[in-house]
Amino acid sequence: DTEVTQTPKHLVMGMTNKKSLKCEQHMGHRAMYWYKQKAKKPPELMFVYSYEKLSINESVPSRFSPECPNSSLLNLHLHALQPEDSALYLCASSQERGASTEAFFGQGTRLTVV
Amino acid sequence: AQTVTQSQPEMSVQEAETVTLSCTYDTSESNYYLFWYKQPPSRQMILVIRQEAYKQQNATENRFSVNFQKAAKSFSLKISDSQLGDTAMYFCAPPFADMRFGAGTRLTVKP
Repeated sequence: DTEVTQTPKHLVMGMTNKKSLKCEQHMGHRAMYWYKQKAKKPPELMFVYSYEKLSINESVPSRFSPECPNSSLLNLHLHALQPEDSALYLCASSQERGASTEAFFGQGTRLTVV
Repeated sequence: AQTVTQSQPEMSVQEAETVTLSCTYDTSESNYYLFWYKQPPSRQMILVIRQEAYKQQNATENRFSVNFQKAAKSFSLKISDSQLGDTAMYFCAPPFADMRFGAGTRLTVKP
């Protein structure tokens, strides 16, 4: 199983809503990543988890709150988002942070904030 | 600081021709890996090819090969016999940069 599964695939939410994005992998990877990708732009790293601990927060606004409840699951909790937060949110995992193995990516969640 | 630079925002190539995408990087590490990823339109990001820095031989995967110049910190991707399905964004994203991506190169293969 070399899959990273992200749910939901599409999400429309109002600026006052609270929602969560979910990412799951069963490859035994110990590093997991959240990215934000705008159209025709590269993915921007948001958060990195290593062994279920937050290792990197790229100065992401607090309306995005990551959580890694176990080694297979990564969540991104969303609250009071702005329209400019509309983007594709990608999750990835790799064997370890900074290791020699490649990252595997999910298909992403297309988020629209209205 | 460990950085990655892709200086070609867009490129196009005729089907069946060869194209080279460039990536330069900066790292203080001596042993590391380098990866090229491909993101087709509205599709999932996938690995194209990897290079181990301690190997002098350039990596090859079918029509994809790299030109790795360790001293120059350059890692270019050559696509031979380009196919329409190669149309995609291509990213250089080494693990030593914590999977931070270069700006990417949008490649269009024209029939």
